[in-house]
Amino acid sequence: DGGITQSPKYLFRKEGQNVTLSCEQNLNHDAMYWYRQDPGQGLRLIYYSQIVNDFQKGDIAEGYSVSREKKESFPLTVTSAQKNPTAFYLCASSRLRQGNQPQHFGDGTRLSIL
Amino acid sequence: AQSVTQLDSQVPVFEEAPVELRCNYSSSVSVYLFWYVQYPNQGLQLLLKYLSGSTLVESINGFEAEFNKSQTSFHLRKPSVHISDTAEYFCAVSEEGGADGLTFGKGTHLIIQP
Repeated sequence: DGGITQSPKYLFRKEGQNVTLSCEQNLNHDAMYWYRQDPGQGLRLIYYSQIVNDFQKGDIAEGYSVSREKKESFPLTVTSAQKNPTAFYLCASSRLRQGNQPQHFGDGTRLSIL
Repeated sequence: AQSVTQLDSQVPVFEEAPVELRCNYSSSVSVYLFWYVQYPNQGLQLLLKYLSGSTLVESINGFEAEFNKSQTSFHLRKPSVHISDTAEYFCAVSEEGGADGLTFGKGTHLIIQP
């Protein structure tokens, strides 16, 4: 079955530490996205990528970094500069970013601070 | 640029009662509309979508939504809810020919009371 795999499901970060969240898709989608979800705030876009080796900042990119070295993979690094990283992180993909293409989501990674 | 508003953050209903979750959008061009469902600690799943054609669209589990261009709405309805419908529901919009991709509402938490 095609889909999106996020790992780990739960992640704990110590103060001053960078952590990386994994996102892999086998849907052959060109576009991939990272969202942050906090209670009552819906989904906020962190970064997106429409093609390999290219990515764009979303609405809340500060304190985060990404890479897109392969079409299938779009890892997100939460850096020590992100002062409030506790949240549920969702990765998504779609054939294209624009128009009538729905996004497909992974099951998320819940990040907490130790 | 498009925007979407879900006026109700929570909707409590009794089991087997009907429910309507409201979604209004803002756009100056033609749009595509989506409803997603999120069960606890999971990612979002596509529930139904309006791309063109019939303004009434249905899902496999009894939900339906009607695109109303004059009211700029895409409300989600179900005639009789079950405990298993307890979840967060997100409305999303994208513009035909637009560059911004999907924009999500803040979500409505559907709470089914026995």
